[in-house]
Amino acid sequence: DAKTTQPPSMDCAEGRAANLPCNHSTISGNEYVYWYRQIHSQGPQYIIHGLKNNETNEMASLIITEDRKSSTLILPHATLRDTAVYYCIADTIYNQGGKLIFGQGTELSVKP
Amino acid sequence: SQTIHQWPATLVQPVGSPLSLECTVEGTSNPNLYWYRQAAGRGLQLLFYSVGIGQISSEVPQNLSASRPQDRQFILSSKKLLLSDSGFYLCAWSGSEGSITSPLHFGNGTRLTVT
Repeated sequence: DAKTTQPPSMDCAEGRAANLPCNHSTISGNEYVYWYRQIHSQGPQYIIHGLKNNETNEMASLIITEDRKSSTLILPHATLRDTAVYYCIADTIYNQGGKLIFGQGTELSVKP
Repeated sequence: SQTIHQWPATLVQPVGSPLSLECTVEGTSNPNLYWYRQAAGRGLQLLFYSVGIGQISSEVPQNLSASRPQDRQFILSSKKLLLSDSGFYLCAWSGSEGSITSPLHFGNGTRLTVT
């Protein structure tokens, strides 16, 4: 599993876009980038994942650089309910038990 | 749709007492099942995972054990709890189609305090 590096914390104003960076310079060709978030005292929630193309769903957008060494999760219009710890993980999608290793993540605080 | 149930939500147990946490998944068959623990700070530690009935893999040596008596049931147990077993325990599942594994879906967790 490739190691990922994220800033420990970030602030964002309500209604503005939240851009959460992640470095994964040792990512291998068959590893995807996954994003999860954990709201306080709840289980983590899957957000999005991608391999090399940018991805968008109803929750967020994922921008992956061409060399795949870094990515950015974008919450286009952050709300107070988006305050959470966001985890970036690089791992294969193949069934090896699907063991995703969670690091420390980025604590995003959305402020009014 | 698939749902995951985990109980109890909170639990206070004395040192040396036994533990049994249960997790069940609905709406899917043959899921991969996982137990994670979140102690101090924010990191999640994978404790056990299972790809089928009776198949359990342990990630770290510890005072806990896991069992999968039915396809969609995953149980975390201990014969004698230690203070260090306190933490937030999370059950999760993922689907698999051939060699492809879907993302993880977590339950709401059990907060265990050992006194």
